[in-house]
Amino acid sequence: KAGVTQTPRYLIKTRGQQVTLSCSPISGHRSVSWYQQTPGQGLQFLFEYFSETQRNKGNFPGRFSGRQFSNSRSEMNVSTLELGDSALYLCASSADIYYGYTFGSGTRLTVV
Amino acid sequence: GNSVTQMEGPVTLSEEAFLTINCTYTATGYPSLFWYVQYPGEGLQLLLKATKADDKGSNKGFEATYRKETTSFHLEKGSVQVSDSAVYFCALGGSNYKLTFGKGTLLTVNP
Repeated sequence: KAGVTQTPRYLIKTRGQQVTLSCSPISGHRSVSWYQQTPGQGLQFLFEYFSETQRNKGNFPGRFSGRQFSNSRSEMNVSTLELGDSALYLCASSADIYYGYTFGSGTRLTVV
Repeated sequence: GNSVTQMEGPVTLSEEAFLTINCTYTATGYPSLFWYVQYPGEGLQLLLKATKADDKGSNKGFEATYRKETTSFHLEKGSVQVSDSAVYFCALGGSNYKLTFGKGTLLTVNP
């Protein structure tokens, strides 16, 4: 069974640019979440989608947005990149949120 | 809101030593509790889970018991190996559709 696939694995962008990250969940999983991991702030929740609907959103500026498609694949977008957006972005999918999430390997974003 | 407090470490042990990583939580409702592990350069792997009070989660020799009376979910392993060296995260999740993580504990096991 294929795991959660995130693309690309690594990305280098310049301040002010925008970026789109992609996530393909495990087949049959309809819940997809995104997290930002940094050494200073740890793991922070960005948003969660289920059947194309955002059910919860973390405390991030509006530059961070996401969406989910009818096949459960998800994308997140960060506009007007700042140096502080450099982080590991993790996607997770779940069939039942009470039983846990499966995480992808992440996209390492570096903003220069 | 929900929160998780875990022993930050780092923790350094010799192979075959006993491991305990403490985790306590604050939550409304009836969350599920999880331990995740992260190896260098990788994402998070679910190590074990417990979905209700008094449940014991176990996997690969690791165990943790969901204690509602002490709001705790401490991770234990009787005999650690070098390959257990990683960062361990305690987390809770529930009806708000998100996981709340502790800050992580770096474990290093020396041969």
